[in-house]
Amino acid sequence: SQQGEEDPQALSIQEGENATMNCSYKTSINNLQWYRQNSGRGLVHLILIRSNEREKHSGRLRVTLDTSKKSSSLLITASRAADTASYFCATVHNAGNMLTFGGGTRLMVKP
Amino acid sequence: GAVVSQHPSWVICKSGTSVKIECRSLDFQATTMFWYRQFPKQSLMLMATSNEGSKATYEQGVEKDKFLINHASLTLSTLTVTSAHPEDSSFYICSASALERAGTDTQYFGPGTRLTVL
Repeated sequence: SQQGEEDPQALSIQEGENATMNCSYKTSINNLQWYRQNSGRGLVHLILIRSNEREKHSGRLRVTLDTSKKSSSLLITASRAADTASYFCATVHNAGNMLTFGGGTRLMVKP
Repeated sequence: GAVVSQHPSWVICKSGTSVKIECRSLDFQATTMFWYRQFPKQSLMLMATSNEGSKATYEQGVEKDKFLINHASLTLSTLTVTSAHPEDSSFYICSASALERAGTDTQYFGPGTRLTVL
């Protein structure tokens, strides 16, 4: 079953703007991962943040994790039309490496 | 490295037929492979976890006799949708965990297989 929720479900912005997506989960985790999926394609791993980390950067991506609130956010700075995709968070519980996905955010970046 | 392929990428079949989907890790050995199903505009739902040489572990609500999983080697897992019906039409995605990275949480995803049952 899905671990949690993502919001917004859909986000439309102009190229150059920043995009922020949020993910909440219900039970304690070992780590949280963000993935990107282009329409009708497989998933691409973006970034992994462990439960003892609060923030992580990778290029134009910034991920935060607040374990007290059981939430994470993904920030894409200076968005590009090519960033248009669905973004999913996925959690790994302490019991193993099984991924449980959130509902996803569909991001559209208009040129 | 860490490439996972799926075959076929798209299949259309008649109701009642069986369809086999292959998932291969091309440049690494996979201890565990996972099968997901994704309906349009929805998230991925884990169907089953398979370890090489042992029976797959199915998630609640997934019929093991309908979705047959075979993980015969460290580089190949197959999912067979038996007696397919239109409601089985979906996007099926596999992922694999690398043997050499056992204990880590990285899964490598295949490109997915779109199944359409008429």
